Amino acid sequence: GAVVSQHPSRVICKSGTSVKIECRSLDFQATTMFWYRQFPKQSLMLMATSNEGSKATYEQGVEKDKFLINHASLTLSTLTVTSAHPEDSSFYICSARRAGENTGELFFGEGSRLTVL
Amino acid sequence: QKEVEQNSGPLSVPEGAIASLNCTYSDRGSQSFFWYRQYSGKSPELIMSIYSNGDKEDGRFTAQLNKASQYVSLLIRDSQPSDSATYLCASEGGFTDSWGKLQFGAGTQVVVTP
Repeated sequence: GAVVSQHPSRVICKSGTSVKIECRSLDFQATTMFWYRQFPKQSLMLMATSNEGSKATYEQGVEKDKFLINHASLTLSTLTVTSAHPEDSSFYICSARRAGENTGELFFGEGSRLTVL
Repeated sequence: QKEVEQNSGPLSVPEGAIASLNCTYSDRGSQSFFWYRQYSGKSPELIMSIYSNGDKEDGRFTAQLNKASQYVSLLIRDSQPSDSATYLCASEGGFTDSWGKLQFGAGTQVVVTP
């Protein structure tokens, strides 16, 4: 099966600091990865689409300067929450699609729970 | 606003019974539909995908799609306590710029009681 790994799984930080979350596809190449955010009892909301070697595309209402996405290789995408505030506390989940496949069958990482104090 | 709607539940199902979950979507351009299972505090896990009208069966799971009614359902037969989770319905648009951009419903919580 396809494995997507996220790190860290939990992070607690002080308000104003930046936090980086990594998403790796362990056994397949992913030209496209997606970053979602999920608040308690709510649905997953797509934040941005991360494309290897190019700029990420952000969904409406998501601040690109606050949520920096870098997709440096076919197996790694990173999300950096800059100047985090308590309202950024959420469950961040990445997902990946196998390179060459045109399908919505995504493989999700384990998620990263961010708590901003 | 493209939306995917689900009853939040909880849906209480006796062990061994059939759990029936429903989902409607508003985007008529959606072509692909997925059911994900999410345990509390965990990330979603794909359990079914369906692309054409009709039924699709995989083990104890059956997905049903009716594009004319913009309706997707999931049946879980012989429900087990381990099926207790939140089930997320998701749709994907039909254009290349929509591939992988899943629109999720809020999920239906299923509780299987022994």
